[in-house]
Amino acid sequence: DARVTQTPRHKVTEMGQEVTMRCQPILGHNTVFWYRQTMMQGLELLAYFRNRAPLDDSGMPKDRFSAEMPDATLATLKIQPSEPRDSAVYFCASGLAPRGSGEQYFGPGTRLTVT
Amino acid sequence: AQTVTQSQPEMSVQEAETVTLSCTYDTSENNYYLFWYKQPPSRQMILVIRQEAYKQQNATENRFSVNFQKAAKSFSLKISDSQLGDTAMYFCAFMRIRMYSGGGADGLTFGKGTHLIIQP
Repeated sequence: DARVTQTPRHKVTEMGQEVTMRCQPILGHNTVFWYRQTMMQGLELLAYFRNRAPLDDSGMPKDRFSAEMPDATLATLKIQPSEPRDSAVYFCASGLAPRGSGEQYFGPGTRLTVT
Repeated sequence: AQTVTQSQPEMSVQEAETVTLSCTYDTSENNYYLFWYKQPPSRQMILVIRQEAYKQQNATENRFSVNFQKAAKSFSLKISDSQLGDTAMYFCAFMRIRMYSGGGADGLTFGKGTHLIIQP
């Protein structure tokens, strides 16, 4: 049963601390997406990668957020320094392009709370 | 840029009834997909149904079907014989098909969601 995995599932941290969220895409998928969900803004695309190269990170605050894919099995989203307004659920999703169905498979999310 | 609008923040129906969730979108693109995702209290995002814009035939998946009106930029979801397990947030989403940078799908643009409650 192929799934996207995310760690940690929950993270509580203090303002100013560094936060790193990890995602393992489904084996063989070449596209990885990061989304953020908040009550106020809903679901927003932060960034995405294809074949480990960043294709679009226009939704991501550049001053404190960074996203990388060190290898095909790991994507990371880092916030440094974290702020209370970063509290949200962060989803990773993976898919296959260009020959895929367009479907994105979502991980369970990381619930981040910054106090 | 694309926008997706779901005008019904919350809906409530009785079990076994049919319910329709509305979604409209705005885009200048011609090649795209549309999706409905379900998010139960567990927070997991679950794909319900997808529609390719170039297909005129409306997609169906068991009790779920869509009414896709491309000219009107409308994409509604119909749930027949609703069940208690259908209670969830439902999100309409748009995906542009990228014609450059190797082709393939783009990121999703989501609507704000409709909270659907199925009453016993």
